[in-house]
Amino acid sequence: AQRVTQPEKLLSVFKGAPVELKCNYSYSGSPELFWYVQYSRQRLQLLLRHISRESIKGFTADLNKGETSFHLKKPFAQEEDSAMYYCALRGTSGSARQLTFGSGTQLTVLP
Amino acid sequence: NAGVMQNPRHLVRRRGQEARLRCSPMKGHSHVYWYRQLPEEGLKFMVYLQKENIIDESGMPKERFSAEFPKEGPSILRIQQVVRGDSAAYFCASSPGTGGLNEKLFFGSGTQLSVL
Repeated sequence: AQRVTQPEKLLSVFKGAPVELKCNYSYSGSPELFWYVQYSRQRLQLLLRHISRESIKGFTADLNKGETSFHLKKPFAQEEDSAMYYCALRGTSGSARQLTFGSGTQLTVLP
Repeated sequence: NAGVMQNPRHLVRRRGQEARLRCSPMKGHSHVYWYRQLPEEGLKFMVYLQKENIIDESGMPKERFSAEFPKEGPSILRIQQVVRGDSAAYFCASSPGTGGLNEKLFFGSGTQLSVL
């Protein structure tokens, strides 16, 4: 079975400080990993995915297959980064094609 | 393109009543997914549909829950004889269905179901 674990429900950092949102997964294969974000009163939206190796809004995430992790990082947090962040996994076969979400981490960036 | 539209935004039902949640996918999208988010939990996959077909309902409770995506009109998630435990946010997402690595899901704003 596939599973996504986000160990931190709440995370607070000061503006300008580095931030790391943790995500660990379990899947017997090569999954696709994503980070979704939900800003206050807005829809859930895709932030980034590991296959794109992109940096969005200063955020990056590296897939570490050895540690089965996909932590989200930003070197200098901004107040507008405050949001709910979900890590998600999509398997590559059969019904695993559907996304499995972690329980989310509420990030608050303090002024 | 208005995006994925879900209605109603809030739905209040008494125990034993029926709840109908609607989802209109983005224009040009033929695949719809329903997710449920219980308080303090992440989104849990329920069902994946294409037009007139249920592709995967492995996340759907076996009783009282059903989903459809007719040829015309929105996708409907139907919950019969609701119970307090059904209170949750229900999210719909759609995708074009190309199946490639670049396939993205677009989410609606969700329907908050409250069962009294």
